Amino acid sequence: QVQLVQSGAEVKKPGSSVKVSCKASGGTFSSYAISWVRQAPGQGLEWMGGIIPIFGTANYAQKFQGRVTITADESTSTAYMELSSLRSEDTAVYYCAKGEEWGQGTLVTVSS
Amino acid sequence: EIVLTQSPGTLSLSPGERATLSCRASQSVSSSYLAWYQQKPGQAPRLLIYGASTRATGIPARFSGSGSGTDFTLTISRLEPEDFAVYYCQQYGSSPYTFGQGTKLEIK
Repeated sequence: QVQLVQSGAEVKKPGSSVKVSCKASGGTFSSYAISWVRQAPGQGLEWMGGIIPIFGTANYAQKFQGRVTITADESTSTAYMELSSLRSEDTAVYYCAKGEEWGQGTLVTVSS
Repeated sequence: EIVLTQSPGTLSLSPGERATLSCRASQSVSSSYLAWYQQKPGQAPRLLIYGASTRATGIPARFSGSGSGTDFTLTISRLEPEDFAVYYCQQYGSSPYTFGQGTKLEIK
């Protein structure tokens, strides 16, 4: 049974960056895709991108191209999502997902 | 980009009734790579259905998915009180792996 545990809530200033981690336990880490999905307050789900750790190359939604970087560290079974040039509209809960499992979500608040 | 349109936006039903939720894609979803999720307030989404019709682990048999191409349906045969939530469809056959806007299933 795979379990995904994400890093804690963050408060960031506009223009800064945030890096959220997602540590997997149980199951096989490297061979399966990990996706990042965000949900702004009161809004729907938005797919940001994903990575298959064994291949190492990430795939991003065009909306986030140039601002998001998704990486994975096979040695620690941890995936990361870094979002730069933050603006207030990036305030959201950020989730990682792998197969049927989702992380608990990380609230990122962007505020001056 | 494949746009998924869910209908209705809100569905008001009573426990014991049958729920039918629709998800229509702007272009064909390859290999029926269509999933359904349930989300309750303050919780992460829960995978219900993948491959358009395969129930995920531990999902009750009252949930079923059907469809192919551009038209997909999630059916809940007899609503239980815990089924009232927001439901999303997602296609994962073509990047970006887009979500529908959601259907809120509320108690009538």
